[in-house]
Amino acid sequence: NAGVTQTPKFQVLKTGQSMTLQCAQDMNHNSMYWYRQDPGMGLRLIYYSASEGTTDKGEVPNGYNVSRLNKREFSLRLESAAPSQTSVYFCASSALPGQGKLEAFFGQGTRLTVV
Amino acid sequence: GENVEQHPSTLSVQEGDSAVIKCTYSDSASNYFPWYKQELGKRPQLIIDIRSNVGEKKDQRIAVTLNKTAKHFSLHITETQPEDSAVYFCAAVLSGYSTLTFGKGTMLLVSP
Repeated sequence: NAGVTQTPKFQVLKTGQSMTLQCAQDMNHNSMYWYRQDPGMGLRLIYYSASEGTTDKGEVPNGYNVSRLNKREFSLRLESAAPSQTSVYFCASSALPGQGKLEAFFGQGTRLTVV
Repeated sequence: GENVEQHPSTLSVQEGDSAVIKCTYSDSASNYFPWYKQELGKRPQLIIDIRSNVGEKKDQRIAVTLNKTAKHFSLHITETQPEDSAVYFCAAVLSGYSTLTFGKGTMLLVSP
């Protein structure tokens, strides 16, 4: 039981390059999330998917796109990376209200640097 | 949407002292309040949570209290140890939803 797995762990991009962060969970959770973590800013929600087939914007969605590929996988894409997107990115998953404990489980994080 | 304020941003204590971190939330419809601990370079992990129908919950040296009227909740750590040093995040979840709104975090440093 691996929990939430995200790849890669580290990435350096040049401004304007694109990349996709991958996330998979094996806990049969309906809900999945992408957060970014910046010093002094806490964890801010980029996008979330309450269930397979749905995605919604969070607090800071600009410059990102997501795909809920199936119940297990939720990817985050940067189409044209900017230095402001330098951050640590966390994928997370949880059950839906009424379907189990609401605890969110996080992946190990991706440290992204855009130069 | 929901807004969560967390104080203090940093907290230094001596080993054995108690530590208290406070959070306020804006939306009275929030009904689930978890606390996460994040050690340096690691992922956030749940340490304790409380639902709005409970005023206090305790787990060994940690406890959480909730005041729905005032819309604030607090984390209490007693007999602190150096391994308690980490960043702590509070969060709130709106009823019927599962998305977490986090506070900005508190860096707790416990000195031997």
